[in-house]
Amino acid sequence: AQSVTQLGSHVSVSEGALVLLRCNYSSSVPPYLFWYVQYPNQGLQLLLKYTSAATLVKGINGFEAEFKKSETSFHLTKPSAHMSDAAEYFCAVSDLNSGYSTLTFGKGTMLLVSP
Amino acid sequence: NAGVTQTPKFQVLKTGQSMTLQCAQDMNHEYMSWYRQDPGMGLRLIHYSVGAGITDQGEVPNGYNVSRSTTEDFPLRLLSAAPSQTSVYFCASSYGGHRLGNTGELFFGEGSRLTVL
Repeated sequence: AQSVTQLGSHVSVSEGALVLLRCNYSSSVPPYLFWYVQYPNQGLQLLLKYTSAATLVKGINGFEAEFKKSETSFHLTKPSAHMSDAAEYFCAVSDLNSGYSTLTFGKGTMLLVSP
Repeated sequence: NAGVTQTPKFQVLKTGQSMTLQCAQDMNHEYMSWYRQDPGMGLRLIHYSVGAGITDQGEVPNGYNVSRSTTEDFPLRLLSAAPSQTSVYFCASSYGGHRLGNTGELFFGEGSRLTVL
């Protein structure tokens, strides 16, 4: 079975500082990996996805993530945090074995950005 | 450009009452699913469907029923609501199947917040 671990339920940064949100996965086959963002009282929006092409993936709003097979990691980064980045972030892995789009999500990391 | 539409957005029920959360998508997606979101638990899959007439259980199916009579609609039914079903529910859809070009990306609705007293 697939699983996703997000280290840290809350991460606090200052505006302008580096954002690093950690995600590790377990999968018996090469995975598809996703980062979603959820703003307060809204649904989930796709930030970026890894689909076995380039290992460094660029997404919306200046975020990027690097797939590292040897570390089974897919950490999300942004060089300079903005107040508008405050939200909850979810890492997810796609279950290729099922042949369909069943995603397994991590428990989420709340990003807090202070002035 | 509606995407995935969920109704109602908010609902309060008493224990034992029944209700249906509606979900509709206009993207001709084969795959539809329901997740529940609880604090500190992330999103957990309740039920999913890979096409009209085909449904299956996810991680937390107990207390919920689904059916898929059309490609567009995937309602979630609570037959006898319990306080443990207080949660935010998300419907999501995808093209389905790992065909060329399909990565499994899910498209989400805005959510339905349910409180069971």
